[in-house]
Amino acid sequence: SAVISQKPSRDICQRGTSLTIQCQVDSQVTMMFWYRQQPGQSLTLIATANQGSEATYESGFVIDKFPISRPNLTFSTLTVSNMSPEDSSIYLCSVDGGLNTGELFFGEGSRLTVL
Amino acid sequence: AQKVTQAQTEISVVEKEDVTLDCVYETRDTTYYLFWYKQPPSGELVFLIRRNSFDEQNEISGRYSWNFQKSTSSFNFTITASQVVDSAVYFCALSEAVTDKLIFGTGTRLQVFP
Repeated sequence: SAVISQKPSRDICQRGTSLTIQCQVDSQVTMMFWYRQQPGQSLTLIATANQGSEATYESGFVIDKFPISRPNLTFSTLTVSNMSPEDSSIYLCSVDGGLNTGELFFGEGSRLTVL
Repeated sequence: AQKVTQAQTEISVVEKEDVTLDCVYETRDTTYYLFWYKQPPSGELVFLIRRNSFDEQNEISGRYSWNFQKSTSSFNFTITASQVVDSAVYFCALSEAVTDKLIFGTGTRLQVFP
């Protein structure tokens, strides 16, 4: 199974600032996914990040607000830009288990509170 | 469009009771995958099971069992002899075969009381 580390685990941010969340995987993976879980809600996919190409964003999410980097097969970052209280959420990184395992693993999440 | 419905928002049971969490899905794909995840109060998502659309065999893993019925587009999850540690939010999810993108249901919060 893949082990995923996310940083920061939680943060309190001021309105208008930006924060970058890091996702490190202990093995090389093709696809990495970023999800958002708003308080008390389900998870919503923000974007899919493949190494060497631009991230693919889901409807309702744009690159200017959520820029993503994927410099190699074990690492990705998600930036939440110009934050507002509505961005207060848990942001989760997810990877496929590879080798057609069918398992999708999640990091522990980064809980952001925007004041 | 793909959609996952978990009609039960919250379920409360007493320890040792059996409980079934319902999941109904919609997809036009012929090949897809269904998942269940557990999210305990600590927040991490724990993978429980993945089932592909061509495998309708029910599965049992310890106290957990899953009933996949394509005819009713359902993938229900039963916990037998529930325990307090089973208290969590359980998410059912659907993914496209090619992209692995997960569409989550809204989750069912299970509370097991001693």
